[in-house]
Amino acid sequence: TQLLEQSPQFLSIQEGENLTVYCNSSSVFSSLQWYRQEPGEGPVLLVTVVTGGEVKKLKRLTFQFGDARKDSSLHITAAQTGDTGLYLCAGPAGVTGGTSYGKLTFGQGTILTVHP
Amino acid sequence: NAGVMQNPRHLVRRRGQEARLRCSPMKGHSHVYWYRQLPEEGLKFMVYLQKENIIDESGMPKERFSAEFPKEGPSILRIQQVVRGDSAAYFCASSRGRGQDEQYFGPGTRLTVT
Repeated sequence: TQLLEQSPQFLSIQEGENLTVYCNSSSVFSSLQWYRQEPGEGPVLLVTVVTGGEVKKLKRLTFQFGDARKDSSLHITAAQTGDTGLYLCAGPAGVTGGTSYGKLTFGQGTILTVHP
Repeated sequence: NAGVMQNPRHLVRRRGQEARLRCSPMKGHSHVYWYRQLPEEGLKFMVYLQKENIIDESGMPKERFSAEFPKEGPSILRIQQVVRGDSAAYFCASSRGRGQDEQYFGPGTRLTVT
């Protein structure tokens, strides 16, 4: 079973600060996705990283996929109150010969609170 | 441009009753996944379906739970004889195809068993 561990579990910061959330595994993933979930809603896909070493930017959010495709990070610059939410990393669970089984395995999530 | 639709958004059932959760995938998507999110736990995979086929049900409890995705109509997750431990948020996701395709989630159904 491929597991994803996220850290930190909770993050409470002031508006304007920078932060990084980590997603680590002992297994290689063919891709990793980052989602954000707000209370009472479903996860919203932010980005998919596929290539080892890949860096993707989405406004103030920067996503990186580790060279070995075992870890990923999400960095937020100058956090805003609207960034508050649960951040989840996820990856295809069970890959054989490059073909995903379809289902995703999720990290436990990082609850981010940005105070004004 | 409708996204994944789920209904009802909230469902209250007494112990022993049946719960039916519905999911309509995004337009053009033929793969549906059900996940469960228990309080204080992460999202856990339950079942993966294509039209008229169950592809992977490795995350489904052995008893009381079933899922279908008929040729016409939404996918349905059915829980018979619900117990308090079934109280959770149930999410449906859809993708265009299998493999590396991204999954898009619906807003979820919050099931409360009293």
